[in-house]
Amino acid sequence: DAGVTQSPTHLIKTRGQHVTLRCSPISGHKSVSWYQQVLGQGPQFIFQYYEKEERGRGNFPDRFSARQFPNYSSELNVNALLLGDSALYLCASSLGQVAYEQYFGPGTRLTVT
Amino acid sequence: AQSVAQPEDQVNVAEGNPLTVKCTYSVSGNPYLFWYVQYPNRGLQFLLKYITGDNLVKGSYGFEAEFNKSQTSFHLKKPSALVSDSALYFCAVRDRSGNTGKLIFGQGTTLQVKP
Repeated sequence: DAGVTQSPTHLIKTRGQHVTLRCSPISGHKSVSWYQQVLGQGPQFIFQYYEKEERGRGNFPDRFSARQFPNYSSELNVNALLLGDSALYLCASSLGQVAYEQYFGPGTRLTVT
Repeated sequence: AQSVAQPEDQVNVAEGNPLTVKCTYSVSGNPYLFWYVQYPNRGLQFLLKYITGDNLVKGSYGFEAEFNKSQTSFHLKKPSALVSDSALYFCAVRDRSGNTGKLIFGQGTTLQVKP
């Protein structure tokens, strides 16, 4: 079975631009969470979506938004990019909203110049 | 506030020797604890979890972790380290303040296993 997939693998954007990151969960998983991992730090929770509804939001500005589609894939959108948004963005899927085990994708490396 | 601390930025061990990567936590209520490993330019791989039951939890790749409630610790251990175990290790705790799967991660510990 395929694991969690994310696209693109890498991308470079300029300050002020907008970016969309995509995630496909493991087949059968209905929950997707997004995390930001800045170099040298642990991942920080951004959002959780379950059954197409936002179930949790971390301490991130409104420039960050996300959605989940009927097939349970998800998009993370970031507007008005700042240099500090440069990070590895990780997507994790799980069976349910509070399932114990979360499975992470390889991440999208975003560089803002 | 709930938190996880990994007091060592790096742990160095010789191949074949036992290894320990330390983690302490601060949560209200019973903790749900996890260990993940991250190889360069890769996502996180699940190693093991403690939810309830035996304090010694066995996981993937020969790793185990010991839950100690009195010391609020959840140290990762392996009896005999391999060079291929060299990676970045994260301890995490489930945020019990909301009905979500939100994980709170430590800063990470780099494990270096030398031949």
